[in-house]
Amino acid sequence: EIVMTQSPATLSVSPGERATLSCRASQSVGSNLAWYQLRPGQAPRLLIYGASTRATGIPAKFSGSGSGTEFTLTISSLQSGDFAVYYCQQYNNWPPGTFGPGTKVEVK
Amino acid sequence: EEQLLESGGGLVQPGGSLRLSCAASGISFSRHAMSWVRQAPGKGLEWVSAISDGSGDSTYYADSVRGRFTISRDNSKDTLYLQMNSLRAEDTAIYYCGRDSPILVLWGQGTLVTVSS
Repeated sequence: EIVMTQSPATLSVSPGERATLSCRASQSVGSNLAWYQLRPGQAPRLLIYGASTRATGIPAKFSGSGSGTEFTLTISSLQSGDFAVYYCQQYNNWPPGTFGPGTKVEVK
Repeated sequence: EEQLLESGGGLVQPGGSLRLSCAASGISFSRHAMSWVRQAPGKGLEWVSAISDGSGDSTYYADSVRGRFTISRDNSKDTLYLQMNSLRAEDTAIYYCGRDSPILVLWGQGTLVTVSS
């Protein structure tokens, strides 16, 4: 089973600044990597799939990059609704579609 | 509006059973594979199960639930189910249903399952 790791566990960012989140796979997953956003009391939301393709309705402030074992999610100009927990998920070796442990983006 | 609404969660004793439902609206339900993902308290996301589109002939399970959980669908009711038997304390979690697999394009808000005596 592919193990996903994310860093940092918590990222403190001031509103208006940029956040850079990392995700690493224990073996290559190609570009089969998705990012999700979880906010308390709300349905999780798909942000990115195919490592870099934004899902429908996702603003350009969210961008994904990487391939193989190293991936990055960048969120520009953070606003209140962006402070949340972000998870990466590999789906190259499925099932299972393993998730990373998450990165919490909090207000600095 | 596309929406998924889970129900059926609650408090159950270890060894007990529970059936979760996920009602879909605004989507062509039968045309989509469907998934269940859970999040234990203070933990991350864990993929649980998935079912193919159409008649749901193909089903998939995480090792942690295989043999105890059964996923199914009723396209006439636009509803996804998760039958959970032999529940354990470690099954305590918020259970989310999702449209599509392996990528969950649309999620519900989840239903809480608590396994405790």
